[in-house]
Amino acid sequence: EAGVTQFPSHSVIEKGQTVTLRCDPISGHDNLYWYRRVMGKEIKFLLHFVKESKQDESGMPNNRFLAERTGGTYSTLKVQPAELEDSGVYFCASSQGVSLKNEQYFGPGTRLTVT
Amino acid sequence: GEDVEQSLFLSVREGDSSVINCTYTDSSSTYLYWYKQEPGAGLQLLTYIFSNMDMKQDQRLTVLLNKKDKHLSLRIADTQTGDSAIYFCAETRQTGANNLFFGTGTRLTVIP
Repeated sequence: EAGVTQFPSHSVIEKGQTVTLRCDPISGHDNLYWYRRVMGKEIKFLLHFVKESKQDESGMPNNRFLAERTGGTYSTLKVQPAELEDSGVYFCASSQGVSLKNEQYFGPGTRLTVT
Repeated sequence: GEDVEQSLFLSVREGDSSVINCTYTDSSSTYLYWYKQEPGAGLQLLTYIFSNMDMKQDQRLTVLLNKKDKHLSLRIADTQTGDSAIYFCAETRQTGANNLFFGTGTRLTVIP
């Protein structure tokens, strides 16, 4: 069974440009999460999809970030326009059920560098 | 409070035991987790403990939870070079949400 995949693995863009990150969850996992780790700090939650619906987007930093999950399969996270402080590693995770035991399977992350 | 804190670095000699510590502030923690991140890879769930337990052992791994002090630790016995990685503690809370709250990660370096 394939794990969670993310594309691209690295992205270097200039301030003001747009970047779109993609996450393919494990097949059959209704729950998809985005997290971000900025500059060696803690990994912070961004948002949670259940199928195509946004269950919780309380961690989204501002309206320059737009996440979608059309059809309830893969998800994209767009940053427009990118700022220097958006640099970091963006992780995607998926889980089958919604319970507090909550085993989330993580992708390798996309390292975003904004110059 | 929202903070989950860990020390950033730990070095041990191969064969010794490693103890990675984590403190958290939110008293509504339900499950607590240890994740491992190897270079270029995603986070791998190592083990977890429910908040009403105080210890869990799984082969070389021992998790200790002191709920009164809000302190979680991960002990790795007979540490091997393959254990070199970043270790994150994380928690879920009784908020109805399922997102994880992570610490900063501890980079474990095993010296041959």
